[in-house]
Amino acid sequence: NAGVTQTPKFRVLKTGQSMTLLCAQDMNHEYMYWYRQDPGMGLRLIHYSVGEGTTAKGEVPDGYNVSRLKKQNFLLGLESAAPSQTSVYFCASSYTGLDEQYFGPGTRLTVT
Amino acid sequence: RKEVEQDPGPFNVPEGATVAFNCTYSNSASQSFFWYRQDCRKEPKLLMSVYSSGNEDGRFTAQLNRASQYISLLIRDSKLSDSATYLCVVRGYSSASKIIFGSGTRLSIRP
Repeated sequence: NAGVTQTPKFRVLKTGQSMTLLCAQDMNHEYMYWYRQDPGMGLRLIHYSVGEGTTAKGEVPDGYNVSRLKKQNFLLGLESAAPSQTSVYFCASSYTGLDEQYFGPGTRLTVT
Repeated sequence: RKEVEQDPGPFNVPEGATVAFNCTYSNSASQSFFWYRQDCRKEPKLLMSVYSSGNEDGRFTAQLNRASQYISLLIRDSKLSDSATYLCVVRGYSSASKIIFGSGTRLSIRP
């Protein structure tokens, strides 16, 4: 039981490049989330999903897209990376919208 | 005003001391509350949920004050391993978009 895993762990991008972050969970959770964490700002919700095939915008969705084609996977895409997207990205999952969230280990992204 | 506010600290206390910190929230309709712990460069992990009647888990006690709109975390007999950042989380109704994380309170326990 791996819990929530994220790939890659680290990435450096140049401005304008694209990439996809992968999140996978093996707990059969319905809800999945993508957050970014910046110094002094706490975690901010980018996008979330309440089930396979669904996605919704969170607090800071601009510049990101997501897909949930399979229940266990939640992908976060950056189409044209900007330096403002330099951050630590955490994926999380939960069984319902009110339950404890389980977090992945994070992806450290630097955009130069 | 931020929706969820925490004193960033750091709180620097000796081992064995009792330490407490609060988290205030602005939305009176908030439904559920949690404390998470985050170690340096690691992911947040649930420390405890906060119930209306207050709850205790070993050395940790969490309280909710709805009238004044804050939650608190008390750590007794602090250990070196308690050094971490403590995040409060406030959730609205069932919508996942109403999850608000505080920016965290940093706690450092010294020998």
